[in-house]
Amino acid sequence: EDQVTQSPEALRLQEGESSSLNCSYTVSGLRGLFWYRQDPGKGPEFLFTLYSAGEEKEKERLKATLTKKESFLHITAPKPEDSATYLCAVDQGAQKLVFGQGTRLTINP
Amino acid sequence: GAVVSQHPSRVICKSGTSVKIECRSLDFQATTMFWYRQFPKKSLMLMATSNEGSKATYEQGVEKDKFLINHASLTLSTLTVTSAHPEDSSFYICSARELGRRDQPQHFGDGTRLSIL
Repeated sequence: EDQVTQSPEALRLQEGESSSLNCSYTVSGLRGLFWYRQDPGKGPEFLFTLYSAGEEKEKERLKATLTKKESFLHITAPKPEDSATYLCAVDQGAQKLVFGQGTRLTINP
Repeated sequence: GAVVSQHPSRVICKSGTSVKIECRSLDFQATTMFWYRQFPKKSLMLMATSNEGSKATYEQGVEKDKFLINHASLTLSTLTVTSAHPEDSSFYICSARELGRRDQPQHFGDGTRLSIL
């Protein structure tokens, strides 16, 4: 059974303090790993798709990387507006996504 | 970019009421849409896959007679929670991917907060 585990569950950082969020996965044939951002009371907003080990993608202060067993979302010099829940998901086929529990990130000014 | 719209954003109603939630893809067509349920501080759980012109596919443990899905066009799927009870209170979210665009991710609506009194 495909599984996605995210850590930590919650993370508090000071503005400018860089860190990484982890997403470990077990899946029978990776068809894509996705990172989404979710603000309270809203639906997930797409950030990145990664397909193969070694792949990296960047967007502003965020950078996602992928290995055969896990993905990291690195956040560099975060700002308070980066506070959100970050969700990781894998495609288990037929476009069906399995989500992790998410990491609630809080950036204090 | 691709936009998915959900309506209503919030519903509060009495136990026993049936509630319909709409999910529309505004600037693209989708033969498949997905319905998720999310409990507070929990992740999204896939409920069902909505297929245009055919029956929905439900995940294990999801009652198809309780959660009726209709996907009548390439831009609209509806989820009806029939005879809703307090335990059906939750955040319901839909998603869709543009037809024929495997390079595109799923895009999500902003969800519907359902509260059954």
